[in-house]
Amino acid sequence: AQKVTQAQTEISVVEKEDVTLDCVYETRDTTYYLFWYKQPPSGELVFLIRRNSFDEQNEISGRYSWNFQKSTSSFNFTITASQVVDSAVYFCALSEGEVGGSQGNLIFGKGTKLSVKP
Amino acid sequence: DTGVSQNPRHKITKRGQNVTFRCDPISEHNRLYWYRQTLGQGPEFLTYFQNEAQLEKSRLLSDRFSAERPKGSFSTLEIQRTEQGDSAMYLCASSLGRHTEAFFGQGTRLTVV
Repeated sequence: AQKVTQAQTEISVVEKEDVTLDCVYETRDTTYYLFWYKQPPSGELVFLIRRNSFDEQNEISGRYSWNFQKSTSSFNFTITASQVVDSAVYFCALSEGEVGGSQGNLIFGKGTKLSVKP
Repeated sequence: DTGVSQNPRHKITKRGQNVTFRCDPISEHNRLYWYRQTLGQGPEFLTYFQNEAQLEKSRLLSDRFSAERPKGSFSTLEIQRTEQGDSAMYLCASSLGRHTEAFFGQGTRLTVV
């Protein structure tokens, strides 16, 4: 069955520290898509990245980077030199492909609450 | 385009009352999703529309819940005979394609007292 696990419930760091948020997924599909979203206190989910199962290249966007490893079914997210504005809940999500019959709906993990202190 | 818009932002209702929420997606997006999020949890899928057709419903969507998307534009989610367990944030999202990024609204927070 499809599932996303974010084992870290809460993480607290001091500004400028690097932090990695873990995400492990389960799916029987060979085609699937992985996402990260940020949910600040205002509540709106903000899209960060989308990855398909055939593209294992790591991605960097400014202070954000993502490490996708199919061998361990993980899609981890690292923030370098964290800032107070990074404080939010971060969700990893999975969308299965054709075999799973998904219409593109997302299966979310429980989220990791990141607090960055000045 | 200002993104996905949801109204109201907050709703407090007495148990047993009916409530209706509205979602206005990004105008060119033909796919629209409803999710429910409770405290400390990730959003859970409720239902999906492609244009005006409701193509998928989660088992979470009991008979008291109904959703519509007339003319494939805005969508409404109605909950009849609300229960305390319905208290949650109801999120709407829209997207262009099946597995493209979904853009979320700010949600409607429902409190049933």
